[in-house]
Amino acid sequence: GQQLNQSPQSMFIQEGEDVSMNCTSSSIFNTWLWYKQDPGEGPVLLIALYKAGELTSNGRLTAQFGITRKDSFLNISASIPSDVGIYFCAGHAGGTSYGKLTFGQGTILTVHP
Amino acid sequence: DAGITQSPRHKVTETGTPVTLRCHQTENHRYMYWYRQDPGHGLRLIHYSYGVKDTDKGEVSDGYSVSRSKTEDFLLTLESATSSQTSVYFCAISESYRPPYEQYFGPGTRLTVT
Repeated sequence: GQQLNQSPQSMFIQEGEDVSMNCTSSSIFNTWLWYKQDPGEGPVLLIALYKAGELTSNGRLTAQFGITRKDSFLNISASIPSDVGIYFCAGHAGGTSYGKLTFGQGTILTVHP
Repeated sequence: DAGITQSPRHKVTETGTPVTLRCHQTENHRYMYWYRQDPGHGLRLIHYSYGVKDTDKGEVSDGYSVSRSKTEDFLLTLESATSSQTSVYFCAISESYRPPYEQYFGPGTRLTVT
């Protein structure tokens, strides 16, 4: 089946630093989504991307839909302690797949004050 | 926050016993999904539902069954629990299978099979 490779697997950064993570696929997706999961909770949607080349921001978060439709990137600027958590990318292949998403393995982000 | 609850939130059970997890939503969304989350694997789809009594398999459906007799409830059953089914289980809902494909997740159920 489809697989998403997310990197890095984990990151340890200082408060105030910028963060970059990416997600790549061997197949094309029509939609890319980025979720964040806080400890002990379910994932929450951060950003959704629907068009190749699209760049979308949500506060300090910026995500891009790769031009090849096989990758996506998430950047977090000026990190703060509450950015700690697991970040997941997810892709939707389109067609009649009933909204099924394929998720990456996640990037664990730790922010040191 | 989307109105999604999962019960129980934590469960410890023995190998070979049946287990049922419940997902309840108050949003009247048509689509519901069950995922399992394991370290290094992210979220993997077990089963999903596209309407009352309409369900289908996901990528890791072996050993699991589901039922949806009402819009608001989606049940996941482990017929005979095994240690490999120790995991955190998440339910998700979605309003439509068309864009934006956004899914909203419940708080999760931590299941331990001993």
